Amino acid sequence: EAGVAQSPRYKIIEKRQSVAFWCNPISGHATLYWYQQILGQGPKLLIQFQNNGVVDDSQLPKDRFSAERLKGVDSTLKIQPAKLEDSAVYLCASSLEEAEAFFGQGTRLTVV
Amino acid sequence: AQSVAQPEDQVNVAEGNPLTVKCTYSVSGNPYLFWYVQYPNRGLQFLLKYITGDNLVKGSYGFEAEFNKSQTSFHLKKPSALVSDSALYFCAVRAYNYGQNFVFGPGTRLSVLP
Repeated sequence: EAGVAQSPRYKIIEKRQSVAFWCNPISGHATLYWYQQILGQGPKLLIQFQNNGVVDDSQLPKDRFSAERLKGVDSTLKIQPAKLEDSAVYLCASSLEEAEAFFGQGTRLTVV
Repeated sequence: AQSVAQPEDQVNVAEGNPLTVKCTYSVSGNPYLFWYVQYPNRGLQFLLKYITGDNLVKGSYGFEAEFNKSQTSFHLKKPSALVSDSALYFCAVRAYNYGQNFVFGPGTRLSVLP
């Protein structure tokens, strides 16, 4: 069974530029999550989708972050414009109902 | 609201000795509890979970965890540590209600010394 795929693995941008991350969840997993993991901290939820609907985006900085999940499968997370404090690893995960989440390898973003 | 505490930033143990990584949680209703491990430059890997039933759950790589409802704890254990167990460990809780997300603790770095 293929795992959660994310791209790119690494990205370096200058502040005020825009960036986008892509995630392909495990086939059949209705729930998709985007987490932000700052160095030395636990992952923090940015947004949770159920199929192509948003379940929870309460911690998403909506003035600069956006996410979509078209057709209930792949998802993209965008940051525009980026700030220095956005430097982190962005993790995508997917799960079945009432089960564990499976994580991708993450995208390490460095904003300079 | 859900929350997870991992009271130790770092745990050091000698190879071959038993290890314990502590976790306490706070959640409304019945919890789903999870342990994940993270190696450098990798995503989180699932180790084990408690949903219901036996309070002692067994998972991957010889790890196990004990759910204690009265103490709201879910400590991770292994009878004999390996150097290769050295990594960052995260405890997570998910409320019983469908649709609730995973809330992670701050992580505990485990170092197993040869």
